[in-house]
Amino acid sequence: NAGVTQTPKFQVLKTGQSMTLQCAQDMNHNSMYWYRQDPGMGLRLIYYSASEGTTDKGEVPNGYNVSRLNKREFSLRLESAAPSQTSVYFCASQGQLAHEQYFGPGTRLTVT
Amino acid sequence: QKEVEQDPGPLSVPEGAIVSLNCTYSNSAFQYFMWYRQYSRKGPELLMYTYSSGNKEDGRFTAQVDKSSKYISLFIRDSQPSDSATYLCAMSVLQGAQKLVFGQGTRLTINP
Repeated sequence: NAGVTQTPKFQVLKTGQSMTLQCAQDMNHNSMYWYRQDPGMGLRLIYYSASEGTTDKGEVPNGYNVSRLNKREFSLRLESAAPSQTSVYFCASQGQLAHEQYFGPGTRLTVT
Repeated sequence: QKEVEQDPGPLSVPEGAIVSLNCTYSNSAFQYFMWYRQYSRKGPELLMYTYSSGNKEDGRFTAQVDKSSKYISLFIRDSQPSDSATYLCAMSVLQGAQKLVFGQGTRLTINP
């Protein structure tokens, strides 16, 4: 039981490049989330998926797209990376009636 | 003004001290209050969860909610070096899988 896994762990991109961050959970959770964490800003929600087949914008969705591929997997795509997207990205999942979100280990992204 | 405010610190105290961490919030609809602990270069993990007002104790940790003042606290007794981490408060309106609003996080160091 691996919980929430994220790939890659680290990535360096040049401005304008694209990439997809992958997230998978093995807890049979319905809901999944993508956050970014910046110094002094806490965790900010980018997108979330309340259930398979649905996605919704969070607080800071601009510049990102998501895909809920199936119940296990939720990917985050940067179509044209910008230096402002340099951050640590966390994926999380949560059960339907639970109060706890389980977080992955994070992806450290640097855009130069 | 942010919906949830938390002093980012850093906070440094000697081993054995009582630590008080706090958050204020502006949305009176929040009913579920959480504290997450995040070790360096790791994802956050749920530490304490409280519904509505009152206190909740778990070992050396006590979570306190004062809805009339829109103020929540986390107390750590007999602090240990292993408690050194960033502590994030989080809040939500509803139970179950939905959006959390996080504070900025307080970086805490316990000195041996």
